[in-house]
Amino acid sequence: EVQLVESGGGLLQPGGSLRLSCAASGLSFSSYTMNWVRQASGKGLEWVSSISGSGSTLYYADSVKGRFTISRDNAKNSLYLQMNSLRAEDTAVYYCARPSRFLDRMDVWGKGTTVTVSS
Amino acid sequence: QSALTQPASVSGSPGQSITISCTGTSSDVGGYDYVCWYQQHPGKAPKLLISDVSKRPSGVSTRFSGSKSGNTASLTISGLQAEDEADYYCSSYTRSSTLLFGGGTKLTVL
Repeated sequence: EVQLVESGGGLLQPGGSLRLSCAASGLSFSSYTMNWVRQASGKGLEWVSSISGSGSTLYYADSVKGRFTISRDNAKNSLYLQMNSLRAEDTAVYYCARPSRFLDRMDVWGKGTTVTVSS
Repeated sequence: QSALTQPASVSGSPGQSITISCTGTSSDVGGYDYVCWYQQHPGKAPKLLISDVSKRPSGVSTRFSGSKSGNTASLTISGLQAEDEADYYCSSYTRSSTLLFGGGTKLTVL
């Protein structure tokens, strides 16, 4: 069974940093681009970032560019999101998702990890 | 980039059909056949319903169908059932090599 499990969420103050992790199992991890998608409470989905299977190509939404860094460790079947200079508007559930084609067609999702940025 | 435009809410009675629209531009919805639809129940992760405008992944009911005309994609749910009550999101690949979601549509089954 393909499974994605996010971790690392928490409560922190504006300007702080946090690193999210996503552990993948049941798939050939290095073969797939991986995505981070977030959802603020009561709001819609927002694509955050993607990374190619090799880790060589990175994509970011304008809202997080320069503040967030996506990375992966294929030996550990793990995806990461380093979030710096956090703002209140970054408060959301962060999902790790596997797109079956480039950035889209996300057919496997984790259950999400919650990030709250508040003073 | 602004989110794709979806109606905030739609409703229908059991057995009826409803359609949810998703409007973008020629740089996203209109420019590529890479439109997806997701269903999300409260407190759950999204589930892929439709990809490539109109393709259903294995296991998705045939009651769900997708189409596109110009810059607008549509999701149709036929034979509405109580369990279809959920939020629905469209997404599209964009010319900027990013992914854009719609604002979401809340479906109420009356």
